[in-house]
Amino acid sequence: QQPVQSPQAVILREGEDAVINCSSSKALYSVHWYRQKHGEAPVFLMILLKGGEQKGHEKISASFNEKKQQSSLYLTASQLSYSGTYFCGTDSGQNFVFGPGTRLSVLP
Amino acid sequence: DTAVSQTPKYLVTQMGNDKSIKCEQNLGHDTMYWYKQDSKKFLKIMFSYNNKELIINETVPNRFSPKSPDKAHLNLHINSLELGDSAVYFCASSQAGAPGYTFGSGTRLTVV
Repeated sequence: QQPVQSPQAVILREGEDAVINCSSSKALYSVHWYRQKHGEAPVFLMILLKGGEQKGHEKISASFNEKKQQSSLYLTASQLSYSGTYFCGTDSGQNFVFGPGTRLSVLP
Repeated sequence: DTAVSQTPKYLVTQMGNDKSIKCEQNLGHDTMYWYKQDSKKFLKIMFSYNNKELIINETVPNRFSPKSPDKAHLNLHINSLELGDSAVYFCASSQAGAPGYTFGSGTRLTVV
């Protein structure tokens, strides 16, 4: 079962903040976040494990609410280099599935 | 010092042909994968090998056959190519206990 991501796309000005959400209908062991720039491979950003921990990577952080099977990716003070498609990947213990992606465009 | 390398980067071929994509990783990872990314950017698992043993084989036409000669290599052979096979194919690897997948740069396959 593919997780749901929202929004599908978001356009920001440099310096603005954004939140990308990922939700699953299954109980999850972990959630991964990846960023894929146009024409490139997806790059691993971080993993969130059961326990609701929050993680950070540069000015990008994420949280995981295991009771709601939801994760959110927070991008603060966005930079032009943050543009790309963000994928969550969910591990239910039975399989690992990527979400459909959220396209983020950061404009100067 | 490329971590996961796949060749070729681009592949244009006619319907009905047979083609192969090669993947090698030098990370010492024990699991390798093939993913297909379609025009809508969906990343779908096709196969997964752990230490040369097939562990995931999703609903993929049997025209697709993976082969892992050793744990550092995972190749994908496609027979009788169809227009719908056009996509970007990514190889990836991971290691138990270490987070995340490392992806190769992708092979853009175009079937004409």
